[in-house]
Amino acid sequence: DAGVIQSPRHEVTEMGQEVTLRCKPISGHNSLFWYRQTMMRGLELLIYFNNNVPIDDSGMPEDRFSAKMPNASFSTLKIQPSEPRDSAVYFCASSLGGGTVSNQPQHFGDGTRLSIL
Amino acid sequence: KQEVTQIPAALSVPEGENLVLNCSFTDSAIYNLQWFRQDPGKGLTSLLLIQSSQREQTSGRLNASLDKSSGRSTLYIAASQPGDSATYLCAVGKGGSEKLVFGKGTKLTVNP
Repeated sequence: DAGVIQSPRHEVTEMGQEVTLRCKPISGHNSLFWYRQTMMRGLELLIYFNNNVPIDDSGMPEDRFSAKMPNASFSTLKIQPSEPRDSAVYFCASSLGGGTVSNQPQHFGDGTRLSIL
Repeated sequence: KQEVTQIPAALSVPEGENLVLNCSFTDSAIYNLQWFRQDPGKGLTSLLLIQSSQREQTSGRLNASLDKSSGRSTLYIAASQPGDSATYLCAVGKGGSEKLVFGKGTKLTVNP
């Protein structure tokens, strides 16, 4: 079975550039999550979707971050303009969740390691 | 605001030892608690999910317990193996949302 697929695996870019991270969830999963992991803050939820609809975006740091899910098999996380403090590992996860409770395990991709110079 | 703490941050044990990883949370009004494993350069893998009405869950050599009233959970690993070396994270979920709040993890090293 194909797991959650993220691209690119690594991204190095200069401050001010636009960054787009991509995620393909597991087929049939209806919830999709974007996380950010840093040494200082650990793993933090940025936003999650259920049935392609954003449910909770309270973790999105600021207006420079945006996420979309145009269909059930694809999501993007965009940072524009990027800043050095955005450097982190960004994970996408998916689950069979119903949107209101976390009673299904989340399946994670291998992440995108983002470095902003 | 829910806070999840895992102590110690790192643990090193000899192969074959039984060990316990700890997780504590500040708000006992949780829906469930999950334990994950993270290998270097990889995403998280779900190990066990305990509903708030349950006391424990078992999978192979792993046993997770939950004491909601005291805000604590433990992950017991029996007969540890070098392949168990990884970072173990716990996360709590609250009703009404699929959001999980994660601890920062315990990095486990099992020495052959």
